[in-house]
Amino acid sequence: NAGVTQTPKFQVLKTGQSMTLQCAQDMNHNSMYWYRQDPGMGLRLIYYSASEGTTDKGEVPNGYNVSRLNKREFSLRLESAAPSQTSVYFCASRDRKKTEAFFGQGTRLTVV
Amino acid sequence: AQSVTQLDSQVPVFEEAPVELRCNYSSSVSVYLFWYVQYPNQGLQLLLKYLSGSTLVKGINGFEAEFNKSQTSFHLRKPSVHISDTAEYFCAVSDEGTYKYIFGTGTRLKVLA
Repeated sequence: NAGVTQTPKFQVLKTGQSMTLQCAQDMNHNSMYWYRQDPGMGLRLIYYSASEGTTDKGEVPNGYNVSRLNKREFSLRLESAAPSQTSVYFCASRDRKKTEAFFGQGTRLTVV
Repeated sequence: AQSVTQLDSQVPVFEEAPVELRCNYSSSVSVYLFWYVQYPNQGLQLLLKYLSGSTLVKGINGFEAEFNKSQTSFHLRKPSVHISDTAEYFCAVSDEGTYKYIFGTGTRLKVLA
């Protein structure tokens, strides 16, 4: 039972490059989330998907796009990376019958 | 909009001493409240949650939290901490019926020998 799996775990990008962060959950959860964690700022919601086929903006969506590929997978894309997007990114999921979110191990992204 | 305040960014405490980590939220409508713990280079793990009912909630690793609606607070406590409790602790709130979680800025607990 892997839970929430994020790939890659580490990534270094040059300014202007693009990349996709992958997230998959094997718990049959309906809702999925992308957060970024920065020192002193806690976790801030980038995008979320309440259910398969829907996505909505969170607090800090600028510079990101998401795709809810199916019920299991929710990807986060950076079209043109900027140094301000250097952060640790967490994916999470939640079951409709439960109230808490389950988190992946994070992706540490550095943009130089 | 809902917000969460964790006033203490760092809390040093000696081993076996009690600790309280403070959390206040902004809205008094029906909310779900959570405490998560993050160990170095790991994801977040749920410590405990409040949904309804008894205002004193017990979680894993000997932690407990008390929901106070009038003060819109959900402080986390442990009567005797261990070195292994050194971690960052996040308070989070979710308005009932929504799908979003709003997190505080975190409190770094450092347990000293």
